Amino acid sequence: DAGVIQSPRHEVTEMGQEVTLRCKPISGHDYLFWYRQTMMRGLELLIYFNNNVPIDDSGMPEDRFSAKMPNASFSTLKIQPSEPRDSAVYFCASSPDRRDEAFFGQGTRLTVV
Amino acid sequence: QKEVEQNSGPLSVPEGAIASLNCTYSDRGSQSFFWYRQYSGKSPELIMSIYSNGDKEDGRFTAQLNKASQYVSLLIRDSQPSDSATYLCAVNVVTGGFKTIFGAGTRLFVKA
Repeated sequence: DAGVIQSPRHEVTEMGQEVTLRCKPISGHDYLFWYRQTMMRGLELLIYFNNNVPIDDSGMPEDRFSAKMPNASFSTLKIQPSEPRDSAVYFCASSPDRRDEAFFGQGTRLTVV
Repeated sequence: QKEVEQNSGPLSVPEGAIASLNCTYSDRGSQSFFWYRQYSGKSPELIMSIYSNGDKEDGRFTAQLNKASQYVSLLIRDSQPSDSATYLCAVNVVTGGFKTIFGAGTRLFVKA
C-alpha cells in the first residue's frame, strides 16, 4: 500500500479564499483523523471518522472548518473563508482500529496571506 | 492540566549516551500509548507502542509504562546523531469519547 496520501503538499492562498485539503487513507483502515500542527499549539486533533461517520469534531476551531468522508477511500477538509491564522501543516492519518497506531500522510503545508 | 504533557526540551546528549524522554497523561482510563518521531518538515512516524505496564524493548528503544503513576517514558540507548528529532508522546484517551491526543513533543539533539 502507498500509505496515506494527501494533496496538495503545499497550498498558498489569499485570505478569504476557500481551501480544500484531500486525503486518501490506507485501504482497510476504519479510522481517519485530521490533525493540525503549529509551533505554538503542537499537533491538534480536529476531527475523526469511524467507518466514514464523523465521531468527534470538538477540535474543529470554527464553523469555517468542515470535513467530509463520502466513502472509505476519500476525505476532505475545507476552510471557507480562510484566514492567516489558519496557516499550519495539516495532517491526515488513518488507523485500522481504535487501539492501534495512526499512520500519517505527508501533510499539507497551508499558507494564507 | 493538559491531557498529555512532555518536557519541550531541548534535550541534548552526547553520541553513545542514553536519552530519556518522559510523558505524563491525565486520563486514567487510557489503554494505548505511543511514541512517534518527527524529523523537521516530515510527518510523525511510530517508534514504539505499549499497552501494558512494564518495559517493552525494540532494538535501541525501550518504552516504559506505569499506569498507576500515569507516565510513559522512552529510553534510547547508544544515541546516534540520526536520532536528533522531536519525539511525540501520544495517548488514546477514552473519557469523553475515544481519541488520540499528542503531547507537545520533546526536541532531542545528539551531539557527535
